[in-house]
Amino acid sequence: GAGVSQSPSNKVTEKGKDVELRCDPISGHTALYWYRQSLGQGLEFLIYFQGNSAPDKSGLPSDRFSAERTGGSVSTLTIQRTQQEDSAVYLCASSLLSQGGYGYTFGSGTRLTVV
Amino acid sequence: GQQVMQIPQYQHVQEGEDFTTYCNSSTTLSNIQWYKQRPGGHPVFLIQLVKSGEVKKQKRLTFQFGEAKKNSSLHITATQTTDVGTYFCAVPYGGSQGNLIFGKGTKLSVKP
Repeated sequence: GAGVSQSPSNKVTEKGKDVELRCDPISGHTALYWYRQSLGQGLEFLIYFQGNSAPDKSGLPSDRFSAERTGGSVSTLTIQRTQQEDSAVYLCASSLLSQGGYGYTFGSGTRLTVV
Repeated sequence: GQQVMQIPQYQHVQEGEDFTTYCNSSTTLSNIQWYKQRPGGHPVFLIQLVKSGEVKKQKRLTFQFGEAKKNSSLHITATQTTDVGTYFCAVPYGGSQGNLIFGKGTKLSVKP
């Protein structure tokens, strides 16, 4: 597609429920990244994919967080048993390659609110 | 782990004044990128600097990479209300360049 598409744009969920966030990167971009941004804060790295593999999962806050990418394209970030501290904007980005310092193209994000 | 310090955290300027934000790293960087996030928006890639001492310009924006490749700056000449937003620098994490670590950003407000 023309840009990085994320869905849903907004999600309100009850504490303890599971949520799935979706990211559809730019066609041909092999690298895909998930970041989290709390209100008025910076970007917290969660995980990145090169193709379908995730070389760096170090940013995932807990084992309640997982992510996968299939077909070198769409990625889903799953948060199990959501907690209020999970409330944030989850941003997905893609780039042509993970090596070589290519700029990221970000999606508009999913605003997650846990009540 | 890799960290990058960005200052100032906030900057309030009168329209027409200049603005500068700085990023500093304790380690030598292979490259540094700059992003702009408008209020309510998502980060947008502005530029990448790779070479020691590199200076790049985009209209009223001037980007510099230090000689030692440990610091960088973004300077805006004669700010306009359209410059409002948060400016982030981003550097490769460790040596892998697999992902970027973002500075905490400088939030710029411009008074008309």
